[in-house]
Amino acid sequence: TQLLEQSPQFLSIQEGENLTVYCNSSSVFSSLQWYRQEPGEGPVLLVTVVTGGEVKKLKRLTFQFGDARKDSSLHITAAQPGDTGLYLCAGGAGRRALTFGSGTRLQVQP
Amino acid sequence: GAGVSQSPSNKVTEKGKDVELRCDPISGHTALYWYRQSLGQGLEFLIYFQGNSAPDKSGLPSDRFSAERTGGSVSTLTIQRTQQEDSAVYLCASSNPTGNNEKLFFGSGTQLSVL
Repeated sequence: TQLLEQSPQFLSIQEGENLTVYCNSSSVFSSLQWYRQEPGEGPVLLVTVVTGGEVKKLKRLTFQFGDARKDSSLHITAAQPGDTGLYLCAGGAGRRALTFGSGTRLQVQP
Repeated sequence: GAGVSQSPSNKVTEKGKDVELRCDPISGHTALYWYRQSLGQGLEFLIYFQGNSAPDKSGLPSDRFSAERTGGSVSTLTIQRTQQEDSAVYLCASSNPTGNNEKLFFGSGTQLSVL
């Protein structure tokens, strides 16, 4: 069974602060995705990384896939209240369904 | 439709009753997934349909859970003899898998409450 552990589980910060969320596994994944979910809605894809060591930037968000393709991180610079939500990582392995992490709930206070 | 549609959005039922949850995927998407999410937690995989292949049912928690996908489109998740621990948000997603870059489009979910 492939498992993805996210840390921290909860994070409450002030507007303007930086933060990093981690996604770790003992399994190797062919791809790693990050989703954000707001209350009452389904998750929405932010980014997909497929190459070990890959770094992708999406405005203030920086995503990194570990060299061994077992872990990933999401770094947010100068967080805004609009960044508030549940962040989920998801690992892909061939034709199998995506395995989702346990989630990190982020609250950005104005 | 423009997105994945799930119905009902909310379902309250009594313990022991059967429930059916419906998912209308994005037209043309060959893959369809059901996940379950407990309050504020991650997503628990339930079942995965891909084209005409046999579905991956490895995530179904018990034989009270079943799902079908008719005509490669609409899917129904059925829970028989519901229990209180079945209370959760049931999310459906569809996609058109292309190599390693599969993007899942999720519906807004069905909030199931078993009293």
